[in-house]
Amino acid sequence: DQQVKQNSPSLSVQEGRISILNCDYTNSMFDYFLWYKKYPAEGPTFLISISSIKDKNEDGRFTVFLNKSAKHLSLHIVPSQPGDSAVYFCAASDPPGDMRFGAGTRLTVKP
Amino acid sequence: ETGVTQSPTHLIKTRGQQVTLRCSSQSGHNTVSWYQQALGQGPQFIFQYYREEENGRGNFPPRFSGLQFPNYSSELNVNALELDDSALYLCASSLPVLGSTEAFFGQGTRLTVV
Repeated sequence: DQQVKQNSPSLSVQEGRISILNCDYTNSMFDYFLWYKKYPAEGPTFLISISSIKDKNEDGRFTVFLNKSAKHLSLHIVPSQPGDSAVYFCAASDPPGDMRFGAGTRLTVKP
Repeated sequence: ETGVTQSPTHLIKTRGQQVTLRCSSQSGHNTVSWYQQALGQGPQFIFQYYREEENGRGNFPPRFSGLQFPNYSSELNVNALELDDSALYLCASSLPVLGSTEAFFGQGTRLTVV
């Protein structure tokens, strides 16, 4: 039962352009959403989050958008940099807080 | 402030054996969660410990068990290992506050069952 889905296994963008990573979920009880970035041989690193009471959260080059009616969230990276190349995981949680992850999207930013 | 550390980093076990993986949580964090990440998939929630008590469990059989100690470090035990248990095991610590559940991950333990 995959409650969080990332339908694009990979994404390639040019340096300086926008990267848009998408995520869909099925459980309407999820109240908190997170994005993690993972480099090879490292654990996931927290990137940005959003509560279900908001529809947008911005942190520097990273913005997460939440559309509750569509059960969809997206991560925008502007401008994209080669160092952003990694696997990005979308995660969602409901009380008491265990997270459900998507399968990940591998982002490649080309110089 | 120390981050989340896991040991060992790599491990090879034989089918049917038992394994114990260890995790030291980030300073001040009282909640530890364990995840299994198979190749090409996202992390799958195994269970969570809060103040030494199991506080939630994913869809894993009872041969996956855990402990949390008074210093909030944790162990994951897997009995009767199967080939499909080969995966990256991730530990994450957090300090849940209302409306926020960011968890910080260790580098993981790569378990190979042969």
